[in-house]
This record gives sequence, structure tokens and C-alpha cells, in this order.
Amino acid sequence: DVKVTQSSRYLVKRTGEKVFLECVQDMDHENMFWYRQDPGLGLRLIYFSYDVKMKEKGDIPEGYSVSREKKERFSLILESASTNQTSMYLCASSIDGWGAYEQYFGPGTRLTVT
Amino acid sequence: KQEVTQIPAALSVPEGENLVLNCSFTDSAIYNLQWFRQDPGKGLTSLLLIQSSQREQTSGRLNASLDKSSGRSTLYIAASQPGDSATYLCAVRSGTVGGADGLTFGKGTHLIIQP
Repeated sequence: DVKVTQSSRYLVKRTGEKVFLECVQDMDHENMFWYRQDPGLGLRLIYFSYDVKMKEKGDIPEGYSVSREKKERFSLILESASTNQTSMYLCASSIDGWGAYEQYFGPGTRLTVT
Repeated sequence: KQEVTQIPAALSVPEGENLVLNCSFTDSAIYNLQWFRQDPGKGLTSLLLIQSSQREQTSGRLNASLDKSSGRSTLYIAASQPGDSATYLCAVRSGTVGGADGLTFGKGTHLIIQP
């Protein structure tokens, strides 16, 4: 079974802090994704990566950056956390290849910025 | 820009009923469509994936259909059970060929099955 794990289920940070959210997948997937989920807005794509050290912006990249130094690990970075970044963050991975493969999601990290 | 709509937003039915959840998308140039289930406070569990060339997929009591030309998909749940209570999300993958573009999600249908 594909397993996608996220470093924390719940996280509380203060405004202005630098925050790292970590995601690890164990199935050698090329593609990894970060989404956030908010009531009334649904899930929205923040960033994705299709290879080590490669990244592409999604729909809402402002205020975020990402890092992918190893194939299995994809990190989301909030350079200076703000209260409007309080949200549920979900990581996903998939095999590459012409859209043929499903995305597998981690359990999510609920981040609160106070 | 792709937009995905799910109807109804919420549904409550007695146990044992068959039910249909609807999903529509604005751009028919998709690679695949995926149905997910989400329990409160949890991540997403993939239920079914339909490739753009396919018409339907089945898994147990679940059947998903896809009509790409009209931009519609339905998720059929047979003989519903209280354990089916969850939010069901529809998502499409569209974008550049060979790219790893993410999914565009609908806002979900919150389903309650009454015992």
C-alpha cells in the first residue's frame, strides 16, 4: 500500500514564525503536491513537484515556498506565518505519466497561527 | 480555468437507499477524474479513478461514471450504510501534457446515512 505521512497532525505557531511542514512518501513516486483545505473554499493547490529539486506553482503559492531535496520528501515552508494561513494542509503523491495515475493523500496537518 | 461543482452540497438519507452524487466540470479536456472520501478531520481516501478514455469504474457498492463531452460524473452508492457517512469529493486532473499539474476539486457532498 502507498503510504504518505506528514510530520505533524496538529501544529500551533505564532505570527511571524518560520514554519516547516514535512511530507514523506514510500512508493518512489515522482510527483508530490501540497494543498490547503478551508471551509467554503475546498482544496486548493499550493505547489507541486515532478522531480527532485523541481517545483511548480499551483493556484495559491503566495506566502509559501517548497523544497524537494530527496525524491521521497517534499517540504512546505511558510516563511513568515500569518493568521490567514491557518488551515488544514494536505500532501499527496502520484506516479508520473500522462495523467494516468491516482493521487494518494496523507492524513493532513491542521495548522493554527495565532 | 477549470471549475468543479458538486451537487447536492449535503444529503441525508435512510440506511439501505441507493443514492447518486453529482459532479460537473467546465473544461472537458481532462486526463482523469477521481472520487475521494473524507472523514471529519482526516485526509482523503481515494475511492475510484476514471481515465478520460473510460466511461465508468466500479468498486464494491460504488460505481462512478464519466461523460467527458458533457463535463459530468456521477458516483452511485448502492445499499447505503451508516459507515458511508462522510464528505465525498470529486476532482479532475487537467493541464499540460506530461506535466504534473495538481487536481481541481469540487467543494464536496456531505453525506449522512441515518441508521
